[in-house]
Amino acid sequence: EAAVTQSPRNKVAVTGGKVTLSCNQTNNHNNMYWYRQDTGHGLRLIHYSYGAGSTEKGDIPDGYKASRPSQENFSLILELATPSQTSVYFCASGERNERLFFGHGTKLSVL
Amino acid sequence: AQSVTQPDARVTVSEGASLQLRCKYSYSGTPYLFWYVQYPRQGLQLLLKYYSGDPVVQGVNGFEAEFSKSNSSFHLRKASVHWSDSAVYFCVLRFTNAYKVIFGKGTHLHVLP
Repeated sequence: EAAVTQSPRNKVAVTGGKVTLSCNQTNNHNNMYWYRQDTGHGLRLIHYSYGAGSTEKGDIPDGYKASRPSQENFSLILELATPSQTSVYFCASGERNERLFFGHGTKLSVL
Repeated sequence: AQSVTQPDARVTVSEGASLQLRCKYSYSGTPYLFWYVQYPRQGLQLLLKYYSGDPVVQGVNGFEAEFSKSNSSFHLRKASVHWSDSAVYFCVLRFTNAYKVIFGKGTHLHVLP
């Protein structure tokens, strides 16, 4: 079974601090995605990548950066965290037209 | 505009009852459609997918879904639910030959024992 691993599972950050969420996949998928999940909104796409070195803005990219240094790794970076970024974040990987494989999520609280 | 609508935010049924969770999509091309399930404090897991062919597709744990192009729908069904089916269910649309994925807002299913 394809695997997507996120770290950390839980994170508490202070307002204005820098937060990095990491994602690793062993599926050799070209495409990777970062979503946030909030009640009433479902999953919303923040950034995605279609290969090492590429990052693209999703539907809600403001306040977030992404980095794809290798096929396996895709990070989400909050340079100046705000309480509105308190959420559960999911990483996913998948090939074009195929299903997505999800990590278990990172619960981020910004105080 | 492309979209996925799950009109029921919350559904409550008794164990053993039949179930239908509704999904409507808006997309001018050929849709790739999925249903995912999310159990508490877990990631999303694939239930079933539709690409083409037979409009009724079978999934895991007795779930099935029926695609209707005329109604732009992809409803999920189960003949007899179990309390362990309590979870959030997402209908998902993937664009043909593209990276974009659109999620419905999810339907929270609560099965009464």
